[in-house]
Amino acid sequence: NAGVTQTPKFRILKIGQSMTLQCTQDMNHNYMYWYRQDPGMGLKLIYYSVGAGITDKGEVPNGYNVSRSTTEDFPLRLELAAPSQTSVYFCASIDQRMGYGYTFGSGTRLTVV
Amino acid sequence: AQSVTQPDIHITVSEGASLELRCNYSYGATPYLFWYVQSPGQGLQLLLKYFSGDTLVQGIKGFEAEFKRSQSSFNLRKPSVHWSDAAEYFCASDFGNEKLTFGTGTRLTIIP
Repeated sequence: NAGVTQTPKFRILKIGQSMTLQCTQDMNHNYMYWYRQDPGMGLKLIYYSVGAGITDKGEVPNGYNVSRSTTEDFPLRLELAAPSQTSVYFCASIDQRMGYGYTFGSGTRLTVV
Repeated sequence: AQSVTQPDIHITVSEGASLELRCNYSYGATPYLFWYVQSPGQGLQLLLKYFSGDTLVQGIKGFEAEFKRSQSSFNLRKPSVHWSDAAEYFCASDFGNEKLTFGTGTRLTIIP
């Protein structure tokens, strides 16, 4: 039982490049989330999904896209990287039927130069 | 608007001293409340959570938190801190919409 797995752990992108941050959970959780963490700002919700095929915007969705084709995977796509997207990204999942145990991945540190 | 406030950006405590980290929320009902800890370069670890019932909640690593409805607060406490408690602490809330809203965090420094 690996929990929530994020890859890569670190990445440097050039402005205008694209990339996909991967997130996989093996707990059969229906809800999944992407957050970004910036110094002094806490964590802000980018996108979330309540199940396969269903996604919705969070507080800071601009510049990102997501998909949820399976219960396990919730990738986050950056199409045209900008310096403002330099951040640490966390994926999380919950099964609210199990008492709201949010499980977080270890994070992806992204730098856009 | 629903929000979580951590008024202290940085707290310094001597090793062995007691600790209290403040958290306030803005919401018309009782939300689900959480405290997370994040060591440098690491992910978030859940310390404790409150859903209902007993307002004093025990967590891991010797931490506890008390929910006070009248003050809209959920302060985190520890009677005696250890150097390993140095980290950033986040209060978070689920306002019934199955999404976590985080405070901006409190960085804890421990001095010998």
